[in-house]
Amino acid sequence: EPEVTQTPSHQVTQMGQEVILRCVPISNHLYFYWYRQILGQKVEFLVSFYNNEISEKSEIFDDQFSVERPDGSNFTLKIRSTKLEDSAMYFCASREVGSYEQYFGPGTRLTVT
Amino acid sequence: DAKTTQPNSMESNEEEPVHLPCNHSTISGTDYIHWYRQLPSQGPEYVIHGLTSNVNNRMASLAIAEDRKSSTLILHRATLRDAAVYYCILRDVAIYTGNQFYFGTGTSLTVIP
Repeated sequence: EPEVTQTPSHQVTQMGQEVILRCVPISNHLYFYWYRQILGQKVEFLVSFYNNEISEKSEIFDDQFSVERPDGSNFTLKIRSTKLEDSAMYFCASREVGSYEQYFGPGTRLTVT
Repeated sequence: DAKTTQPNSMESNEEEPVHLPCNHSTISGTDYIHWYRQLPSQGPEYVIHGLTSNVNNRMASLAIAEDRKSSTLILHRATLRDAAVYYCILRDVAIYTGNQFYFGTGTSLTVIP
């Protein structure tokens, strides 16, 4: 069964450093998402992406965040200057056109020290 | 998006049916009812969705009240693998938006062997 993959599974970085989280969505899906989940809290929407542009973004997704689809398979989330409060599990998801079902990846645990 | 209310936690014995309730008294006519679950240390996983009629799939059944102000996710025979947080989410049928989800705190289901 096709699945969304994410790398790395765990990223440790120092405050102020840039990080790039990578996702490979399911191949025929055209809608892509990033969510995050701070430990013990609920899953929060960050951004949705379609047709090479951001569809919607939440208040969390400020100027420190950016997304990109650099090629036909990868979808990345960049945090330009990480803060301690960016420590969370980051989930990528994708869905195909005409479907409401989102497929989530296993997540990347980001730890900012 | 309209708000949903779910119990914080529920318990079920293994191999017995589980009924997970969700109240959504302010649901609009174009809101779909989605259920996702999150197994420990994993990303959310699609379970089922519906609009007005009851729905069945291989994982579960969704019973929707006639006035649509509440719904119930039914797991017909709980297994230990069904221990997860179950989220009931409403999302408007808007074709040209990202259709991202706004997760609440969900119901944490414990399955007792």
